[in-house]
Amino acid sequence: QVQLQESGPGLVKPSQTLSLTCTVSGGSISTGGYYWSWIRQHPGKGLEWIGHIYYSGSAYYNPSLKSRVIISVDTSENQFSLKLSSVSAADTAVFYCAKMKGGTGWYIDVWGKGTTVTVSS
Amino acid sequence: QTVVTQEPSFSVSPGETVTLTCGLSSGSVSATYYPSWYQQTPGQAPRTLIYSTNIRSSGVPDRFSGSILGNKAALTITGAQADDESDYFCVLYMSGGSWVFGGGTKLTVL
Repeated sequence: QVQLQESGPGLVKPSQTLSLTCTVSGGSISTGGYYWSWIRQHPGKGLEWIGHIYYSGSAYYNPSLKSRVIISVDTSENQFSLKLSSVSAADTAVFYCAKMKGGTGWYIDVWGKGTTVTVSS
Repeated sequence: QTVVTQEPSFSVSPGETVTLTCGLSSGSVSATYYPSWYQQTPGQAPRTLIYSTNIRSSGVPDRFSGSILGNKAALTITGAQADDESDYFCVLYMSGGSWVFGGGTKLTVL
């Protein structure tokens, strides 16, 4: 049973880079057919797809965030990471990592518990 | 920019049937968008309900079903229960590999 755990600073200063890591346990990040995703939820709002990455390193980003986002994968550590640059208060959100089934389905089958990141000086 | 539309809120009485929809600001939703549905209660991570239009995720009660109704994806709850009171989100897979979530529907059961 794959489990995901987000980690990273809960407080980031404006204009800095937000960095989060998702550790995958109970399975390999290199399993074919799955993409590793980041999704965020602003306080009291809906879900927003940030992007996802395949174990090979191919990444897809939300066009509205693409200029500020980098998602990377470390297969040796069974982790994937999110970097969001030039953050502002508008980036304050709960960030979820997730395992996405691709190809024949395109859906999330495992969610992390989420981590709250606040952007404030 | 593609917008995925959902009813902001819906109310249903216990035992009744409710259908939530997921549409596009321009165009029709079809199975090729692989619509999926997620349930979220306050303070919790979302839970996967339905994927690929109408396939229930493991452990999801069969009172939840998915379909395409007209030009939208739909989530039907047959015989709503009190603990179905949640936010429901749909998401569509777009060509080019991107995903777009709907704004979510807040379902009240009373």
